[in-house]
Amino acid sequence: EAQVTQNPRYLITVTGKKLTVTCSQNMNHEYMSWYRQDPGLGLRQIYYSMNVEVTDKGDVPEGYKVSRKEKRNFPLILESPSPNQTSLYFCASSLFPAGGSYEQYFGPGTRLTVT
Amino acid sequence: DQQVKQNSPSLSVQEGRISILNCDYTNSMFDYFLWYKKYPAEGPTFLISISSIKDKNEDGRFTVFLNKSAKHLSLHIVPSQPGDSAVYFCAASARNYGGSQGNLIFGKGTKLSVKP
Repeated sequence: EAQVTQNPRYLITVTGKKLTVTCSQNMNHEYMSWYRQDPGLGLRQIYYSMNVEVTDKGDVPEGYKVSRKEKRNFPLILESPSPNQTSLYFCASSLFPAGGSYEQYFGPGTRLTVT
Repeated sequence: DQQVKQNSPSLSVQEGRISILNCDYTNSMFDYFLWYKKYPAEGPTFLISISSIKDKNEDGRFTVFLNKSAKHLSLHIVPSQPGDSAVYFCAASARNYGGSQGNLIFGKGTKLSVKP
């Protein structure tokens, strides 16, 4: 089954404790992206990657890091989480630029709470 | 500055009637538009898209209309069903311009409630 998986689905942590949210896709997609969803703000892009070893900042990259060492995986790293990073996080992937379709497939989300 | 705007945070419609969700954009470079649907506790799922070379695209009960001169698009759902109750996000992309091709810019979403 074609899918984007994220782990963990739920995480409660404390300020300053490094964490990683994993994202994996099995569709051989070049493009992957991380978003956060906050009430009243919709989906905002954190980082994206056009292919292996190619990453770039989205609209809200502060406090986050990413890496793309393999095509299927795109982990999101919070080196020193803070309460303002409490949010719902989504990973997404798509074929890029082939196919002409820019439909992105989303993972189920990771709800992060930083206390 | 918000490039994709969904000015109605919520919409309530009776089952069987038409639901119309609206979206405005400011960036004239946008050439591809998508609608995503999101249920609670799930990721957004793709619903329908439209290229800027078209003004209408239909898929079953869902139709998206694009008015480029007004920088406005709308999603029509006919007839609306209770299972359509979800948050709908409008998204836009500038596929052929700039270095961030393929990046989607999302609106804030509209919560649709379809009452039986």
